[in-house]
Amino acid sequence: KAGVTQTPRYLIKTRGQQVTLSCSPISGHRSVSWYQQTPGQGLQFLFEYFSETQRNKGNFPGRFSGRQFSNSRSEMNVSTLELGDSALYLCASSLETSGSSGYPEYFGPGTRLLVL
Amino acid sequence: SQKIEQNSEALNIQEGKTATLTCNYTNYSPAYLQWYRQDPGRGPVFLLLIRENEKEKRKERLKVTFDTTLKQSLFHITASQPADSATYLCALATAVGTYKYIFGTGTRLKVLA
Repeated sequence: KAGVTQTPRYLIKTRGQQVTLSCSPISGHRSVSWYQQTPGQGLQFLFEYFSETQRNKGNFPGRFSGRQFSNSRSEMNVSTLELGDSALYLCASSLETSGSSGYPEYFGPGTRLLVL
Repeated sequence: SQKIEQNSEALNIQEGKTATLTCNYTNYSPAYLQWYRQDPGRGPVFLLLIRENEKEKRKERLKVTFDTTLKQSLFHITASQPADSATYLCALATAVGTYKYIFGTGTRLKVLA
């Protein structure tokens, strides 16, 4: 089966701009979680969506938001970009949410965002 | 504070030996814990999940143990090969407040031929 896909793979933006990243999960998976990975902080949980509802959220400012569509595809948006937002953004899909013994099972290749 | 600790220093071992990686957590009581492999520039790949009522889990050359008293998980790769060289991450879900997935910072393993 097709894996998790993320678009775009690379992105360069300037401070103050906004960006939207897309994630298509494994077919049949309804849970999508998003992560930010940086060399200093490692992999940090952003949020998790299940059946179009945000179920869980990490400790990120409100500039980071997301949504999920009826076909389980998810987008995340970062507004008013800061230099520190430069990172690899990963999404993962799973059948169930963390509250139902789910876990990030399949990761996408990530979107590498560079903020100048 | 709540955190997961993995040995941040790289682990170099000789081909054929057993690599043992450690994951320690504090202030959590996870129902299960996962291990992932990550290669440079790529997303993590899920390897194994172990539940709190399981002491040990095996998959081919991989073995994971889970000691909820010590709050520690060990990840073993037996008969290691250069192709096993990668960064290995442990992760758990915590339900403090709301559910969050927490990842360790990973241990970089290099298997020398």
